[in-house]
Order: sequence, then structure tokens, then C-alpha cells
Amino acid sequence: AQSVAQPEDQVNVAEGNPLTVKCTYSVSGNPYLFWYVQYPNRGLQFLLKYITGDNLVKGSYGFEAEFNKSQTSFHLKKPSALVSDSALYFCAVRDGRTGRRALTFGSGTRLQVQP
Amino acid sequence: GAVVSQHPSRVICKSGTSVKIECRSLDFQATTMFWYRQFPKQSLMLMATSNEGSKATYEQGVEKDKFLINHASLTLSTLTVTSAHPEDSSFYICSARPGTGVNSPLHFGNGTRLTVT
Repeated sequence: AQSVAQPEDQVNVAEGNPLTVKCTYSVSGNPYLFWYVQYPNRGLQFLLKYITGDNLVKGSYGFEAEFNKSQTSFHLKKPSALVSDSALYFCAVRDGRTGRRALTFGSGTRLQVQP
Repeated sequence: GAVVSQHPSRVICKSGTSVKIECRSLDFQATTMFWYRQFPKQSLMLMATSNEGSKATYEQGVEKDKFLINHASLTLSTLTVTSAHPEDSSFYICSARPGTGVNSPLHFGNGTRLTVT
């Protein structure tokens, strides 16, 4: 079975400060990891993914994430937060070893960036 | 980039009626589409995997007779909520993956907010 945990319901950060949104995962095979962002009453927008290769992955809008196999984590980061980054963020995983093609999502973390 | 269009964005219906939600891949073909349901302040729960030309695969606990899925072409999947009840009120989101690469990201529609009165 594959699962994702996002331990923080909400993260508050001041504009201009670095932000981190945490994610840990559990899969039996190789993890394929994704981050998505959701704005109110909208679908999800893809930010970045890790499949293989460099542990530090850079994505859209200045976001990046670091894959840490030993800690089974894939935290989302941004060096300098913007007010417009305020949204709901989802981490997702797919087990590369199984035939299951759908993603399993974490519970979501609401990011609030204060001006 | 790959675009998934979902229609309608909002629908209000009376209890006992049926509602159809359409999901279209606008600039790519999708042999597989996924239907998710999102409750307020909760994550996305996979309801079913829609397969073009064959029966959908439903997740455990999802009633296939209540949530009818049809994937008649490579660019269109529909979800019909039959005999809707207030507890079916939710945000439904479809997604699809362009190309055959299973590692490419899913692209999502903008969702449909269903309210059953």
C-alpha cells in the first residue's frame, strides 16, 4: 500500500521568508513523488515531481523539493515566500513497482503567507 | 501545456435527480482518466479509474451503480451521479495523464462543485 502524510494542517510564514511544507511517504517499491497546489474552488496544478536522479528537484513558481530516501521525506521549499503563494498544497505518491497508476494524496497543507 | 476541461463548474440539483459531469482532455488523448472526490478541508479521494473502451475500475467503497462512469472516446470521460442525495454534495475533480509515460504528472480539471438540495 502507498500512503502520504502531511503533518501540518497549516503553515504560516511572513512574506519574504523561506517556507517549508512537510511530506513523508510510504511505498513498498520506488517512490514517484509529486507536489500540487490548489486554489479555492479549482483543480490541482502541478508544481514538481521526483522520479529519479538528483534529490533536489526544482519546479514551477520558484518552488523546489528535496527527496530524502532515508527519511522517506519530500519536503516542499521556497527561499522567499510571496503572498500569492497562499493556497492548499498536496503531496502525492505513486509506487513505481506496482501497476497502480493513480496517485495517493496527502491530506493537504494550507500555506498562509502574511504581508 | 496539457489541458483538462471539466464541465460544469458548479451544479445544484434536487434530491433524486441525476447529474452528469464531463471531463475532456483538450490537447491530448487520454486512455485513462481518474475521478477524485474532495470533501471540505480534506484530501482528494480516488473514486475510480476510467478506461477508454472498457469498464471503469472503482475503489473500494465506491458504489458503481451510483457513480456511473463512461469513457467512450480518448478525450472524454463522464461521471454521472445517479439519484443524488445531499450526502453526495462534494467537489469532484477529474484528471488525466498525457502520453503513455506513467511518470508524467497528472493534469486536473478545475473541478465541479455539486450541491444536492
